[in-house]
Amino acid sequence: NAGVTQTPKFQVLKTGQSMTLQCAQDMNHEYMSWYRQDPGMGLRLIHYSVGAGITDQGEVPNGYNVSRSTTEDFPLRLLSAAPSQTSVYFCASSSRPPTSGRSVGTGELFFGEGSRLTVL
Amino acid sequence: KQEVTQIPAALSVPEGENLVLNCSFTDSAIYNLQWFRQDPGKGLTSLLLIQSSQREQTSGRLNASLDKSSGRSTLYIAASQPGDSATYLCAPRGGETSGSRLTFGEGTQLTVNP
Repeated sequence: NAGVTQTPKFQVLKTGQSMTLQCAQDMNHEYMSWYRQDPGMGLRLIHYSVGAGITDQGEVPNGYNVSRSTTEDFPLRLLSAAPSQTSVYFCASSSRPPTSGRSVGTGELFFGEGSRLTVL
Repeated sequence: KQEVTQIPAALSVPEGENLVLNCSFTDSAIYNLQWFRQDPGKGLTSLLLIQSSQREQTSGRLNASLDKSSGRSTLYIAASQPGDSATYLCAPRGGETSGSRLTFGEGTQLTVNP
Protein backbone atom coordinates (compact mmCIF):
# COMPACT_ATOMS: atom_id res chain seq x y z
CA ASN A 1 0.00 0.00 0.00
CA ALA A 2 1.82 3.11 -1.27
CA GLY A 3 -0.38 5.64 0.57
CA VAL A 4 0.27 9.20 -0.67
CA THR A 5 2.98 9.57 -3.31
CA GLN A 6 4.48 12.90 -4.32
CA THR A 7 6.82 13.65 -7.21
CA PRO A 8 9.32 15.13 -7.65
CA LYS A 9 11.04 15.14 -4.25
CA PHE A 10 13.32 18.01 -5.23
CA GLN A 11 13.04 20.68 -7.92
CA VAL A 12 14.90 23.87 -8.78
CA LEU A 13 13.17 26.42 -11.00
CA LYS A 14 14.01 29.80 -12.41
CA THR A 15 11.66 32.72 -11.82
CA GLY A 16 8.83 32.64 -14.36
CA GLN A 17 9.03 28.93 -15.12
CA SER A 18 6.01 26.70 -14.69
CA MET A 19 5.80 23.23 -13.27
CA THR A 20 3.42 20.68 -11.78
CA LEU A 21 3.83 18.84 -8.51
CA GLN A 22 2.18 15.45 -8.72
CA CYS A 23 0.23 13.76 -5.94
CA ALA A 24 -1.43 10.36 -6.05
CA GLN A 25 -3.15 8.28 -3.39
CA ASP A 26 -4.31 4.68 -3.53
CA MET A 27 -6.64 4.68 -0.53
CA ASN A 28 -9.78 5.80 -2.43
CA HIS A 29 -9.88 8.98 -0.34
CA GLU A 30 -12.35 11.68 -1.29
CA TYR A 31 -10.49 14.50 0.43
CA MET A 32 -7.11 15.70 -0.87
CA SER A 33 -5.16 18.82 -0.06
CA TRP A 34 -1.92 20.70 -0.63
CA TYR A 35 0.06 22.48 2.08
CA ARG A 36 3.23 24.46 2.07
CA GLN A 37 5.57 24.52 5.05
CA ASP A 38 7.86 27.46 5.72
CA PRO A 39 10.08 28.18 8.75
CA GLY A 40 8.19 30.21 11.34
CA MET A 41 4.92 29.96 9.37
CA GLY A 42 3.91 26.38 10.01
CA LEU A 43 1.80 24.41 7.56
CA ARG A 44 -0.58 26.48 5.43
CA LEU A 45 -3.35 25.13 3.23
CA ILE A 46 -3.06 26.06 -0.46
CA HIS A 47 -5.96 24.22 -2.14
CA TYR A 48 -8.14 21.28 -1.31
CA SER A 49 -10.66 18.97 -2.94
CA VAL A 50 -13.58 17.03 -1.47
CA GLY A 51 -14.00 14.80 -4.52
CA ALA A 52 -13.37 14.45 -8.24
CA GLY A 53 -14.33 17.64 -10.04
CA ILE A 54 -14.54 19.70 -6.83
CA THR A 55 -11.77 22.01 -5.65
CA ASP A 56 -11.59 25.05 -3.40
CA GLN A 57 -9.09 27.58 -2.17
CA GLY A 58 -7.28 27.37 1.12
CA GLU A 59 -5.38 30.00 3.03
CA VAL A 60 -2.66 30.82 0.45
CA PRO A 61 -3.99 29.97 -3.06
CA ASN A 62 -2.42 32.77 -5.11
CA GLY A 63 0.02 31.59 -7.76
CA TYR A 64 -1.23 28.00 -7.68
CA ASN A 65 -3.82 26.04 -9.66
CA VAL A 66 -5.30 22.62 -9.02
CA SER A 67 -7.68 20.23 -10.71
CA ARG A 68 -9.18 16.90 -9.67
CA SER A 69 -10.16 14.81 -12.66
CA THR A 70 -9.85 11.49 -10.83
CA THR A 71 -10.20 10.36 -7.22
CA GLU A 72 -6.55 9.27 -7.14
CA ASP A 73 -4.70 12.34 -8.45
CA PHE A 74 -4.47 15.95 -7.30
CA PRO A 75 -1.73 17.87 -9.13
CA LEU A 76 -0.58 21.33 -8.04
CA ARG A 77 0.46 23.72 -10.81
CA LEU A 78 2.73 26.71 -10.46
CA LEU A 79 1.98 28.91 -13.45
CA SER A 80 4.86 31.39 -13.14
CA ALA A 81 7.21 30.53 -10.31
CA ALA A 82 8.38 33.26 -7.93
CA PRO A 83 11.11 33.14 -5.24
CA SER A 84 8.34 33.49 -2.61
CA GLN A 85 7.15 30.03 -3.65
CA THR A 86 10.38 28.45 -2.43
CA SER A 87 9.07 26.02 0.15
CA VAL A 88 8.39 22.42 1.04
CA TYR A 89 5.07 21.22 -0.35
CA PHE A 90 3.03 18.44 1.17
CA CYS A 91 0.07 16.60 -0.28
CA ALA A 92 -2.38 14.92 2.08
CA SER A 93 -5.49 12.82 1.77
CA SER A 94 -8.24 11.46 3.98
CA SER A 95 -11.62 9.85 3.90
CA ARG A 96 -14.41 12.39 4.21
CA PRO A 97 -15.03 13.10 7.91
CA PRO A 98 -18.47 12.14 9.19
CA THR A 99 -20.92 14.84 8.09
CA SER A 100 -24.69 15.10 8.22
CA GLY A 101 -24.90 11.65 9.71
CA ARG A 102 -23.01 10.10 6.78
CA SER A 103 -19.97 8.28 8.03
CA VAL A 104 -17.49 7.11 5.41
CA GLY A 105 -14.35 6.92 7.52
CA THR A 106 -12.47 8.43 10.39
CA GLY A 107 -11.18 11.44 8.48
CA GLU A 108 -7.59 10.63 9.48
CA LEU A 109 -5.20 12.64 7.33
CA PHE A 110 -2.22 10.96 5.66
CA PHE A 111 0.71 12.92 4.23
CA GLY A 112 3.16 12.38 1.41
CA GLU A 113 6.90 12.73 1.98
CA GLY A 114 7.02 16.24 0.56
CA SER A 115 8.46 18.07 -2.44
CA ARG A 116 11.22 20.59 -1.81
CA LEU A 117 11.01 23.44 -4.34
CA THR A 118 13.59 26.18 -4.82
CA VAL A 119 12.85 29.12 -7.11
CA LEU A 120 15.90 31.17 -8.10
CA LYS B 1 -10.71 31.58 11.75
CA GLN B 2 -9.25 28.73 13.76
CA GLU B 3 -6.01 29.50 15.59
CA VAL B 4 -3.88 26.83 17.15
CA THR B 5 -1.21 27.36 19.81
CA GLN B 6 1.24 24.74 21.01
CA ILE B 7 3.15 25.09 24.25
CA PRO B 8 6.02 24.73 24.82
CA ALA B 9 7.65 25.59 21.49
CA ALA B 10 10.69 23.50 22.45
CA LEU B 11 11.40 20.96 25.16
CA SER B 12 14.56 19.10 26.12
CA VAL B 13 14.33 16.22 28.61
CA PRO B 14 16.48 13.32 29.79
CA GLU B 15 15.59 9.83 28.65
CA GLY B 16 12.91 8.13 30.72
CA GLU B 17 10.92 11.21 31.66
CA ASN B 18 7.16 11.41 31.24
CA LEU B 19 6.11 14.58 29.46
CA VAL B 20 3.06 16.53 28.33
CA LEU B 21 2.67 18.60 25.19
CA ASN B 22 -0.14 21.13 25.08
CA CYS B 23 -2.36 22.30 22.25
CA SER B 24 -5.08 24.94 22.42
CA PHE B 25 -7.48 26.04 19.69
CA THR B 26 -9.96 28.90 19.44
CA ASP B 27 -12.90 27.34 17.55
CA SER B 28 -14.42 24.39 19.38
CA ALA B 29 -16.62 23.40 16.39
CA ILE B 30 -14.30 20.61 15.30
CA TYR B 31 -14.84 17.11 13.93
CA ASN B 32 -11.64 15.64 15.22
CA LEU B 33 -8.12 16.48 16.29
CA GLN B 34 -5.01 14.78 15.05
CA TRP B 35 -1.51 14.66 16.50
CA PHE B 36 1.42 14.27 14.11
CA ARG B 37 5.13 13.72 14.38
CA GLN B 38 7.61 15.23 11.94
CA ASP B 39 11.26 14.25 11.75
CA PRO B 40 13.72 16.72 10.15
CA GLY B 41 13.40 16.77 6.37
CA LYS B 42 10.52 14.30 6.43
CA GLY B 43 6.77 14.29 6.04
CA LEU B 44 4.18 14.15 8.81
CA THR B 45 3.33 10.86 10.45
CA SER B 46 -0.06 10.49 12.10
CA LEU B 47 0.21 9.49 15.77
CA LEU B 48 -3.30 9.71 17.16
CA LEU B 49 -6.72 10.80 15.97
CA ILE B 50 -9.41 11.81 18.47
CA GLN B 51 -12.95 12.22 17.22
CA SER B 52 -14.93 15.12 18.68
CA SER B 53 -17.12 12.69 20.63
CA GLN B 54 -14.11 11.07 22.31
CA ARG B 55 -12.15 12.19 25.36
CA GLU B 56 -8.90 10.36 24.73
CA GLN B 57 -6.97 7.92 22.56
CA THR B 58 -4.00 5.74 23.40
CA SER B 59 -1.32 4.13 21.28
CA GLY B 60 1.55 2.45 23.07
CA ARG B 61 3.36 5.06 25.19
CA LEU B 62 1.26 7.87 23.76
CA ASN B 63 -2.00 9.17 25.17
CA ALA B 64 -3.91 12.11 23.74
CA SER B 65 -6.83 13.81 25.45
CA LEU B 66 -9.37 16.24 24.09
CA ASP B 67 -11.51 18.80 25.91
CA LYS B 68 -13.44 20.26 23.01
CA SER B 69 -15.48 22.74 25.04
CA SER B 70 -12.37 24.40 26.45
CA GLY B 71 -10.41 24.11 23.20
CA ARG B 72 -7.57 22.01 24.60
CA SER B 73 -5.74 18.82 23.79
CA THR B 74 -2.72 17.25 25.43
CA LEU B 75 -0.29 14.62 24.22
CA TYR B 76 1.26 12.56 27.00
CA ILE B 77 4.44 10.63 26.25
CA ALA B 78 5.44 8.04 28.83
CA ALA B 79 9.00 6.91 29.45
CA SER B 80 10.49 9.06 26.72
CA GLN B 81 13.25 7.68 24.49
CA PRO B 82 15.85 9.37 22.23
CA GLY B 83 13.88 8.07 19.24
CA ASP B 84 10.96 10.26 20.33
CA SER B 85 13.00 13.34 19.37
CA ALA B 86 10.99 15.14 16.68
CA THR B 87 8.55 18.00 16.18
CA TYR B 88 5.01 17.25 17.34
CA LEU B 89 2.11 19.01 15.67
CA CYS B 90 -1.55 19.13 16.59
CA ALA B 91 -4.29 19.86 14.06
CA PRO B 92 -7.98 20.27 14.84
CA ARG B 93 -10.26 19.59 11.86
CA GLY B 94 -13.09 22.01 11.22
CA GLY B 95 -16.61 21.28 10.15
CA GLU B 96 -18.13 21.09 6.69
CA THR B 97 -18.71 24.85 6.50
CA SER B 98 -14.94 25.36 6.74
CA GLY B 99 -14.23 22.76 4.09
CA SER B 100 -13.26 20.24 6.74
CA ARG B 101 -9.93 22.00 6.95
CA LEU B 102 -7.19 21.14 9.36
CA THR B 103 -5.38 24.02 11.03
CA PHE B 104 -1.89 23.32 12.30
CA GLY B 105 -0.03 24.67 15.27
CA GLU B 106 3.65 25.51 14.83
CA GLY B 107 4.62 22.48 16.83
CA THR B 108 6.66 21.49 19.85
CA GLN B 109 10.25 20.53 19.09
CA LEU B 110 11.14 17.69 21.47
CA THR B 111 14.68 16.54 22.22
CA VAL B 112 15.17 13.47 24.42
CA ASN B 113 18.74 13.17 25.62
CA PRO B 114 20.33 9.75 26.28
